[in-house]
Amino acid sequence: GQQVMQIPQYQHVQEGEDFTTYCNSSTTLSNIQWYKQRPGGHPVFLIQLVKSGEVKKQKRLTFQFGEAKKNSSLHITATQTTDVGTYFCAGRQETSGSRLTFGEGTQLTVNP
Amino acid sequence: NAGVTQTPKFRILKIGQSMTLQCTQDMNHNYMYWYRQDPGMGLKLIYYSVGAGITDKGEVPNGYNVSRSTTEDFPLRLELAAPSQTSVYFCASRFTSGGYNEQFFGPGTRLTVL
Repeated sequence: GQQVMQIPQYQHVQEGEDFTTYCNSSTTLSNIQWYKQRPGGHPVFLIQLVKSGEVKKQKRLTFQFGEAKKNSSLHITATQTTDVGTYFCAGRQETSGSRLTFGEGTQLTVNP
Repeated sequence: NAGVTQTPKFRILKIGQSMTLQCTQDMNHNYMYWYRQDPGMGLKLIYYSVGAGITDKGEVPNGYNVSRSTTEDFPLRLELAAPSQTSVYFCASRFTSGGYNEQFFGPGTRLTVL
């Protein structure tokens, strides 16, 4: 079945440093979504990428979808304490219909 | 709009007991999902539904059952609870098509089986 791998599992940064998490799928994806989960909270949708090579920005967050539509990344510039949480990618295969496969997540901690 | 609501928030079960986790959404979403999240892990799909009367298995359906008699409600039934079912359970829903396919998650039910 489809697998979505995410690295690193944990990342500790000083406030102001940059952060990147990477997501790789074993199969080609029709789209990929990113979610953020605050400690003790539930996943909250951040963005969806659909096109090969797509890049989208949300303030300090930059999302990329690979040319082969099998990998993606999330980059945060100048992290803030409010960025703390776990970031998940979730991929949808062409053949998986309405189902998403979630990566294991990257847990980000930010030291003030 | 309350969004996706789940009850109870917390529950402790003894091995072999049964319970139903409730999930309701008021956004008129056709698609609904049940996930479990073990500590420090990602989300695993248990069951999902594409509309009232239609359900299908996800990655980890064993030990669970679902029903979808209305658009709003998607309860998850645990029969003969086992310690391996200790987890946080999230219900989610989304629109059928068009625009973003984002899933809206409920606050979760934290279940411990002792």
